[in-house]
Amino acid sequence: DAGITQSPRHKVTETGTPVTLRCHQTENHRYMYWYRQDPGHGLRLIHYSYGVKDTDKGEVSDGYSVSRSKTEDFLLTLESATSSQTSVYFCAISGRVALMNTEAFFGQGTRLTVV
Amino acid sequence: KQEVTQIPAALSVPEGENLVLNCSFTDSAIYNLQWFRQDPGKGLTSLLLIQSSQREQTSGRLNASLDKSSGRSTLYIAASQPGDSATYLCAVSETGNQFYFGTGTSLTVIP
Repeated sequence: DAGITQSPRHKVTETGTPVTLRCHQTENHRYMYWYRQDPGHGLRLIHYSYGVKDTDKGEVSDGYSVSRSKTEDFLLTLESATSSQTSVYFCAISGRVALMNTEAFFGQGTRLTVV
Repeated sequence: KQEVTQIPAALSVPEGENLVLNCSFTDSAIYNLQWFRQDPGKGLTSLLLIQSSQREQTSGRLNASLDKSSGRSTLYIAASQPGDSATYLCAVSETGNQFYFGTGTSLTVIP
C-alpha cells in the first residue's frame, strides 16, 4: 500500500450533511490526489496538491474542497453531500521528494454512500 | 483533454495463454504512462511505469511497451495464471503529476 492510509474505509451519510475523508501518507511524496471511481467513468481526478497549502482542481471538483496543512495529510470535504457523490474515493501519492520518481501509488479506497 | 481508451473492456482466456492488453491515448505529449492492477473491492496496485523516453519496461511475466507517436501502449502478460484475474488500468500523465485513466480491461483467466 506504499504507506497510504485512508479513513474511514466505509461511510454512509445523509444528503445535506458534511463529510470529510482523510488520506495519510508516510512516504514523503510531494503530490497527493483525490480520485473518484464510478462504473462507466473510470477514475476521475477531483483535486490534487503539490505541496503544503498548495492545491488545484481536477476535472470533477464541483461540490468538493480539500486542504493540506501537513505534507502527510490530505483531506477531502463534501460540504453538503448529495446522492451523486456516492462513489468510491481513492487517495494517491506521487513524486517522492528528492527523487525523480513520478510513479503513483494508491490507497485502498473509501466507499461513500449518500442516502 | 487527454482521452484514454482501453480495448477490450473484458477478456477471458484459458490458463497458460499469452495475452495483450491495449491502451490508446489522444495526445502524444505525455510525461509517462503507468499500468495498474485492481482486484475487486481493492485499491490500485502499480505494475509498471514507462517514462516518455522509454520504449518498454519489464517485470517478471509482464512487459509494457510505449509508442508515443501513435498514442499506444500494450501490456503483455506471459503464461497467464488464474491469479492474474483482475481489472487492468492504464493511466497517462502529461506533467508527471495529474493522471488520466482508461476504464480498464477486466481479465478472467480460466483454470
